[in-house]
Amino acid sequence: DTGVSQDPRHKITKRGQNVTFRCDPISEHNRLYWYRQTLGQGPEFLTYFQNEAQLEKSRLLSDRFSAERPKGSFSTLEIQRTEQGDSAMYLCASSRTSGNPAGETQYFGPGTRLLVL
Amino acid sequence: AQSVAQPEDQVNVAEGNPLTVKCTYSVSGNPYLFWYVQYPNRGLQFLLKYITGDNLVKGSYGFEAEFNKSQTSFHLKKPSALVSDSALYFCAVRDMKGGGSYIPTFGRGTSLIVHP
Repeated sequence: DTGVSQDPRHKITKRGQNVTFRCDPISEHNRLYWYRQTLGQGPEFLTYFQNEAQLEKSRLLSDRFSAERPKGSFSTLEIQRTEQGDSAMYLCASSRTSGNPAGETQYFGPGTRLLVL
Repeated sequence: AQSVAQPEDQVNVAEGNPLTVKCTYSVSGNPYLFWYVQYPNRGLQFLLKYITGDNLVKGSYGFEAEFNKSQTSFHLKKPSALVSDSALYFCAVRDMKGGGSYIPTFGRGTSLIVHP
């Protein structure tokens, strides 16, 4: 169990550029979540996958954001035409389906810190 | 709808003293409650959770939390604080009434500072 990994750890980009982040969940974890965290706030949900299916998206996920998990393993989050307001920490988490979904523990990666200039 | 509140932005405690980080919640059904810790420039680390059963839950690094249904609270506690406990602490809640979402709602976080 190597934990959830995210790449890159830091990204600086200019406004209007596209960026893509990768998340590798814990192996055998079939659920994968993306969150955004800004300074002084807790994580805010963006979207989640069960296997390769994207089952829920937040209103925060504008049309410029897209996420994929093509083979049910790693996931990518792409932001097109970045804006300064997109500057945040993007966190990925994974969990394994259990008999009590509400009780599942999410394990977080170290995050990707995005700065849009 | 589910929500969680962490009423203190910051908690200061001397090393060796007991610590409490407060969390209150609001749900329609049964609450499932979690505590996470975040060190600078790191992701969140799971500490403990309450699903059902004993109201006192024990977790990692000597932390425990007490579920109080009447007060809708789930305060995090530790009998003796360490300087290394200094970090951001997040409370989270899930409400599964009516087969709702798997998505937890996180509080804004409480910064714990333990002074030597």
